Amino acid sequence: EDKVVQSPLSLVVHEGDTVTLNCSYEVTNFRSLLWYKQEKKAPTFLFMLTSSGIEKKSGRLSSILDKKELFSILNITATQTGDSAIYLCAGSFGNEKLTFGTGTRLTIIP
Amino acid sequence: DAGVTQSPTHLIKTRGQQVTLRCSPKSGHDTVSWYQQALGQGPQFIFQYYEEEERQRGNFPDRFSGHQFPNYSSELNVNALLLGDSALYLCASSLDLGPGETQYFGPGTRLLVL
Repeated sequence: EDKVVQSPLSLVVHEGDTVTLNCSYEVTNFRSLLWYKQEKKAPTFLFMLTSSGIEKKSGRLSSILDKKELFSILNITATQTGDSAIYLCAGSFGNEKLTFGTGTRLTIIP
Repeated sequence: DAGVTQSPTHLIKTRGQQVTLRCSPKSGHDTVSWYQQALGQGPQFIFQYYEEEERQRGNFPDRFSGHQFPNYSSELNVNALLLGDSALYLCASSLDLGPGETQYFGPGTRLLVL
């Protein structure tokens, strides 16, 4: 069965720190890996990764996929209090649904 | 450009009742997926609708059913509510270009079953 595992489950850092969130997956028929940010309700889309080794970047956020080792990381540099949220990783494994991990709860202390 | 909208935002029901949740997809999207997110968990896939038919279903009982209308909006119905059905119900829309297309989420409906 498709499985996505995120680590750490929670993380508390000071404003200005850099954080790395991890996502590993067990695949039956990998298509893509997606990262979402969930602050209160709606998960908002951050990145979709399909190719190994190609970094996607948006401002202070970046993400990369390793299809050989079956994992992805999400980096956030110069963190701000507005980055406090739950970060969800999800995989699309050859069918229509997204399989989510349990998320990493990130807390930024001013 | 209107994003995904859902109604109602909050709902309180009692065990055994039935509930209907509604979703309007992002403009231009034709596919709607429903997810259940329990507290402290990631969203779990319920089912997906495309061309007014259920295309794929997750591991949820038949008490969970849905519908998609010609304008691509969708409803999620849950019968015989249980306490364990309390959760955030998320609707996501996408454009049917094949598996792996990005899904965009609505704000969700928070259901509390007493």
